[in-house]
Amino acid sequence: NAGVTQTPKFQVLKTGQSMTLQCAQDMNHEYMSWYRQDPGMGLRLIHYSVGAGITDQGEVPNGYNVSRSTTEDFPLRLLSAAPSQTSVYFCASSWGLAGGTQYFGPGTRLTVL
Amino acid sequence: AQTVTQSQPEMSVQEAETVTLSCTYDTSESDYYLFWYKQPPSRQMILVIRQEAYKQQNATENRFSVNFQKAAKSFSLKISDSQLGDAAMYFCAYRSGRGGNYKLTFGKGTLLTVNP
Repeated sequence: NAGVTQTPKFQVLKTGQSMTLQCAQDMNHEYMSWYRQDPGMGLRLIHYSVGAGITDQGEVPNGYNVSRSTTEDFPLRLLSAAPSQTSVYFCASSWGLAGGTQYFGPGTRLTVL
Repeated sequence: AQTVTQSQPEMSVQEAETVTLSCTYDTSESDYYLFWYKQPPSRQMILVIRQEAYKQQNATENRFSVNFQKAAKSFSLKISDSQLGDAAMYFCAYRSGRGGNYKLTFGKGTLLTVNP
């Protein structure tokens, strides 16, 4: 089991560029989510999915899109990058929806210039 | 909405000593789960320990144990026999046990330094 994988590990973008952060899990988890981590803020939920074809917004969804066409993959798209989106992004997944332990990917450090 | 508070931004401990990290939370729910995650400099989020609210017994994992006080809404983490590898940021987190609310709510973290 690879667990939760994320690519790339590092990325630098210019303001206005778009990109997709990839996330995949091989544990057949129903629930997947994206968080961003900023200094002094802990982790904040961007979007989540409770199964293929079902997504919903978290606390800080603006400027991000997600889709879930398969159980394994949950990409996060930045539509038009802004410096405020400079952050570390984590993907997580869990078995079961209520109370399940979430397992995290290694993170992507994104810098927007 | 649930909130999680970690009142100690930084803590330090001597190697082989014991340290306790504090966490309080606010919720109106009776069914929920609490977690401690460790984030070393590698930035990987690693699950340390998990506690189900319906269980009265405090969870333990080797040198890590919790003091879960449901009425006080307190969930502290005790690290015994601290090791240099325990140095990391520690996050307390809450997850509802109620269907439809899947969000994991984090505190802002406590940075633990272990002195040799």
